[in-house]
Amino acid sequence: ETGVTQTPRHLVMGMTNKKSLKCEQHLGHNAMYWYKQSAKKPLELMFVYNFKEQTENNSVPSRFSPECPNSSHLFLHLHTLQPEDSALYLCASSQDKAGKAFFGQGTRLTVV
Amino acid sequence: GQQLNQSPQSMFIQEGEDVSMNCTSSSIFNTWLWYKQDPGEGPVLLIALYKAGELTSNGRLTAQFGITRKDSFLNISASIPSDVGIYFCAGQPPNTGNQFYFGTGTSLTVIP
Repeated sequence: ETGVTQTPRHLVMGMTNKKSLKCEQHLGHNAMYWYKQSAKKPLELMFVYNFKEQTENNSVPSRFSPECPNSSHLFLHLHTLQPEDSALYLCASSQDKAGKAFFGQGTRLTVV
Repeated sequence: GQQLNQSPQSMFIQEGEDVSMNCTSSSIFNTWLWYKQDPGEGPVLLIALYKAGELTSNGRLTAQFGITRKDSFLNISASIPSDVGIYFCAGQPPNTGNQFYFGTGTSLTVIP
């Protein structure tokens, strides 16, 4: 139990589907992140939220849409994904920008 | 983005042996983090380093923040089978807000 919970753990979706990934942190942190982890590649930062405000969007395609309703919850809305979007999507949180990040267990996404 | 070179890519060692891995960057970092990831799980933070030259231990693990601020090292002493996993370094450059860059990981196999 890391204090960061992601659901679902596994997701298979078709290219025309719409789905959402959810992340919740119980650590009282004020920054939350979405990362993408593909095989043989470093973790790629997708989005950063500080106090519910998006502070970074690392050139992520618009088919990925983040939402942060409060500092404890983070969503990643998915629509019209491509097979190359299949990966492990990791949520993390930290206290302030210099803080060490704590990760959730990830959602293994497969796009068919 | 930033490139972190992590080496070696993989290691196969006998139980009881010591392990060393490192991470280098072409530019300076303010913070170095070391994570371990088990299959199907998110990365778990092992050690955080905040000052050049800092040496920090966590049980059998010891990590150092290189004096040039461009590298970091992780050592594991007397390895055991549960040390198996992928070890990632992550570094935070100055003036980048929440941005951490990750290495490609070192896969460790411990042979009983």
